[in-house]
Amino acid sequence: GIQVEQSPPDLILQEGANSTLRCNFSDSVNNLQWFHQNPWGQLINLFYIPSGTKQNGRLSATTVATERYSLLYISSSQTTDSGVYFCAVEANDYKLSFGAGTTVTVRA
Amino acid sequence: DGGITQSPKYLFRKEGQNVTLSCEQNLNHDAMYWYRQDPGQGLRLIYYSQIVNDFQKGDIAEGYSVSREKKESFPLTVTSAQKNPTAFYLCASSIPSYEQFFGPGTRLTVL
Repeated sequence: GIQVEQSPPDLILQEGANSTLRCNFSDSVNNLQWFHQNPWGQLINLFYIPSGTKQNGRLSATTVATERYSLLYISSSQTTDSGVYFCAVEANDYKLSFGAGTTVTVRA
Repeated sequence: DGGITQSPKYLFRKEGQNVTLSCEQNLNHDAMYWYRQDPGQGLRLIYYSQIVNDFQKGDIAEGYSVSREKKESFPLTVTSAQKNPTAFYLCASSIPSYEQFFGPGTRLTVL
């Protein structure tokens, strides 16, 4: 099956800092999503981005499908940005494969 | 409100018991999915269904069973054959091959 690697595994930020999270995948994909998992376990949809660039407030994402990677940018981080960020991809089989996640801690 | 509901939020099971986790959606999505998450790890697919009365095994289906008798509902049964069932279970739905949306999850603990 398709392999998904996220980096870094852990990220500690001072409030107000910017950061970049990376997702590499091993094969062509039809679907790529970024999620934020809050402390209660709820998965919040951030982006549905199989290719191109999208922005939503302080967050933006870019997927370069031909080079098999996606980037999630967090600007002016806030303590509420803390949590685990997951990248998930789908090849041609209707199944999402998840990376292991990046744990982000934003300190006041 | 449109969304996905899961119940119960917390579930405790004795060894040897079967338990059923509920998942309901009112998003009119054809596809529904069950995932398992262990501490510090990503999600792994248990079963998925693209249409009513049809479902397929995911990557870790052993010890689990599902049914899809209605479009809105996709219950998951954790059987006594599942050797390590303590985990966080998440249900999702989507238009097939498009964005998946998740419910709030059920935490299952084996006593």
